[in-house]
Amino acid sequence: AQSVSQHNHHVILSEAASLELGCNYSYGGTVNLFWYVQYPGQHLQLLLKYFSGDPLVKGIKGFEAEFIKSKFSFNLRKPSVQWSDTAEYFCAVIFTGGGNKLTFGTGTQLKVEL
Amino acid sequence: ETGVTQTPRHLVMGMTNKKSLKCEQHLGHNAMYWYKQSAKKPLELMFVYNFKEQTENNSVPSRFSPECPNSSHLFLHLHTLQPEDSALYLCASSQAPGIDEQFFGPGTRLTVL
Repeated sequence: AQSVSQHNHHVILSEAASLELGCNYSYGGTVNLFWYVQYPGQHLQLLLKYFSGDPLVKGIKGFEAEFIKSKFSFNLRKPSVQWSDTAEYFCAVIFTGGGNKLTFGTGTQLKVEL
Repeated sequence: ETGVTQTPRHLVMGMTNKKSLKCEQHLGHNAMYWYKQSAKKPLELMFVYNFKEQTENNSVPSRFSPECPNSSHLFLHLHTLQPEDSALYLCASSQAPGIDEQFFGPGTRLTVL
């Protein structure tokens, strides 16, 4: 069965540190890829998405992600995090041709310390 | 504000109660979804509706009964729930099922005693 893995469950960083959150999926076909963020007490919202084209995708708030097809990965990056980036981050994948359901990873809780 | 609202935001119910969760989207979307978010588990898709028709039931127990009277409203009727059903229930909508970005509501935090 198709699955999405986020290996970092909890990440603690200091402000201005660089961030990279891992996301891998298991599926050899075409995928649509998403990163969602859930700030404390708020709803899930989209950070960025990849459907096709340039594998380096830029999203809101300075986030970017790179699709590496050969590694089945879609890692999220930010060069310099801020305290306000403290949130839970979810990678999600639509396995096109596999029911077109949005499958989520377990999430990564990021805490940014001042 | 995402354009997807959910009520109530919090609900406590006994195992013999019957309650309903409501979701409304103001985005003109055609597809609506129910998800269950439990601690330390991935979001679980429960149901998908497209143009008011259910297109996905992800092996959800019959004690959860969805209803979609129109493309803007989605309900989740609950009866004889179990304590393990306690979770955050999220509603989402998208222009089309399975392809587009989904917009999520704030969720209903359900506690079953």
